[in-house]
Amino acid sequence: SAVISQKPSRDICQRGTSLTIQCQVDSQVTMMFWYRQQPGQSLTLIATANQGSEATYESGFVIDKFPISRPNLTFSTLTVSNMSPEDSSIYLCSVGGTGMNTEAFFGQGTRLTVV
Amino acid sequence: DAKTTQPNSMESNEEEPVHLPCNHSTISGTDYIHWYRQLPSQGPEYVIHGLTSNVNNRMASLAIAEDRKSSTLILHRATLRDAAVYYCILRSPSGTYKYIFGTGTRLKVLA
Repeated sequence: SAVISQKPSRDICQRGTSLTIQCQVDSQVTMMFWYRQQPGQSLTLIATANQGSEATYESGFVIDKFPISRPNLTFSTLTVSNMSPEDSSIYLCSVGGTGMNTEAFFGQGTRLTVV
Repeated sequence: DAKTTQPNSMESNEEEPVHLPCNHSTISGTDYIHWYRQLPSQGPEYVIHGLTSNVNNRMASLAIAEDRKSSTLILHRATLRDAAVYYCILRSPSGTYKYIFGTGTRLKVLA
């Protein structure tokens, strides 16, 4: 199993500013994943972060808007840049589940409101 | 990844069994069926997964149709704590590691 801590748990930010979300895992993992969950919606994968390489972004998400760092095997950050109200969402970090018979673990999420 | 279809919402009385259906008519022979649930204000958590045979664990049972085009998550005795959104997800060994979340089923448990 894996325990994931995300910080902050919530924040209210002004439009045009940036917020960096931290994700700490209690064990070393190769891949870390970042998801976005818009209000009342399901989860959408933003990007995959591997230690020592650039993150891989899904269609519709770009590095300039969502830069990701992965400095070691237990930590990652996601920055939401130049925020607008449309970025108001829950952002979740996840690890594991890379095998068909393995489970994924998710953080509690960061609830972001942009005003 | 193959698509899954679930009802948007279901209701159940407390302490009664709940059967949550999932259709996956385009499933391939090697796709695993995974279920996760998301309790209010929390990240998703693993419930159960299977390939062909029915599976049981401490949380739930998974019944897989013989043709594998559908499956049912069974909560044997629903509690108020089981109120959540339940996601049925197909994982393909020939695909990627990604979890593609569908819309899920919002389960309401009535006291």
